[in-house]
Amino acid sequence: QLVLTQSPSASASLGASVKLICTLSSEHSNYAIAWHQQQPEKGPRFLMKVSSDGSHNKGDGIPDRFSGSSSGAERYLTISSLQSEDEADYYCQTWGAGIHVVFGGGTKLTVL
Amino acid sequence: EVHLLESGGGLVQPGGSLTLSCAASGFPFSNYAMSWVRQAPGRGLEWVSHISGGGGTTKYADSVKGRFTVSRDKSKNTLFLLMNSLRVDDTAVYYCAKEIIGPSFDYWGQGTLVTVSS
Repeated sequence: QLVLTQSPSASASLGASVKLICTLSSEHSNYAIAWHQQQPEKGPRFLMKVSSDGSHNKGDGIPDRFSGSSSGAERYLTISSLQSEDEADYYCQTWGAGIHVVFGGGTKLTVL
Repeated sequence: EVHLLESGGGLVQPGGSLTLSCAASGFPFSNYAMSWVRQAPGRGLEWVSHISGGGGTTKYADSVKGRFTVSRDKSKNTLFLLMNSLRVDDTAVYYCAKEIIGPSFDYWGQGTLVTVSS
């Protein structure tokens, strides 16, 4: 079964960096994923797609502070120079055959 | 600039019906598949339905199959979601999203709240 696992919460200090993790089910370790950001009381915003080789394609207007990478079944979202507006929920998302869309449970990022 | 604007949400009793709309602009609407994604209060994102660019292919999550119908009107650049036999657990903010290859979603609307309650 295609499953994405995320830690429920993460925190980091203003100006620091943070690396969020999304883990694919083991039999799907070569899948690409997408990262979406949801600020409080707003709709989600597409950040980037991250492939199994670590390459990533960002959405329109996404700052260079946001980057993606991969290792095995793990997909990462790194945010550097944290700003207060980065405090949000971050969801990873992938897709199986036949328009089978799966979301991770989301990580709530707190900027201290 | 891509813009997606949902409307049609509201309060409905269990067993009732509601139709959501999503007005799209800023891109060639007929060239892109679209999806509906929902978020129950305090919960994560759940994909609901997909429709191809031409409208000929639709897909649904098991939780809504047989109750919800997705459609689109290319003349009005509008996406619809007809929701029948609504249940309390359909209560959520419903987002429309423009699909890219995957599928993933590169643009989202701001959402419309559907509350199913007696």
